[in-house]
Amino acid sequence: QQPVQSPQAVILREGEDAVINCSSSKALYSVHWYRQKHGEAPVFLMILLKGGEQKGHEKISASFNEKKQQSSLYLTASQLSYSGTYFCGTPGGTSYGKLTFGQGTILTVHP
Amino acid sequence: DTEVTQTPKHLVMGMTNKKSLKCEQHMGHRAMYWYKQKAKKPPELMFVYSYEKLSINESVPSRFSPECPNSSLLNLHLHALQPEDSALYLCASSRPDTHYGYTFGSGTRLTVV
Repeated sequence: QQPVQSPQAVILREGEDAVINCSSSKALYSVHWYRQKHGEAPVFLMILLKGGEQKGHEKISASFNEKKQQSSLYLTASQLSYSGTYFCGTPGGTSYGKLTFGQGTILTVHP
Repeated sequence: DTEVTQTPKHLVMGMTNKKSLKCEQHMGHRAMYWYKQKAKKPPELMFVYSYEKLSINESVPSRFSPECPNSSLLNLHLHALQPEDSALYLCASSRPDTHYGYTFGSGTRLTVV
């Protein structure tokens, strides 16, 4: 089942902050975050695991609330290079392979 | 080498043609994936290969036929496609573990005429 992301779009000026949320109706064991720029491949940013472990990008942080089945991605002091579409991805249970992406959040950073 | 390479980058094919998409990685990843992405939509999973064996087929029509000849290569054979199959086809790879992210290729932009 597809996770739900909010907001659908965000417009920022350089240096501003943004939060992107991802929620699921089923139990989550981990959450992936990716960024895709127009015409390019999705790029892995971070994975959040049960128990609070994080692996990924140094300049982007995220949280994972297992009980609420939610994750949030925090983009602080945004740069022009942060522009793109952000997807969260949730695996199908404890086995790998069946990663389902949310509908995406379009982030636009202006000078 | 930390890349997934896909060829061709662009492909235009007729509905009666047979073509193949290719994907290669040399990161030692033993899980490989095909995703389909329509404009302004998220990638949708098509197939998963684990240790060169097909482990997940997301009810994809038989006109799409995946193949994994070895641990570094993944092919997607196309036959008798429809115009609605036009999309960006993404290949990805990962360690066969839920604790690692995916590395995506830049995709093949397919147009069916």
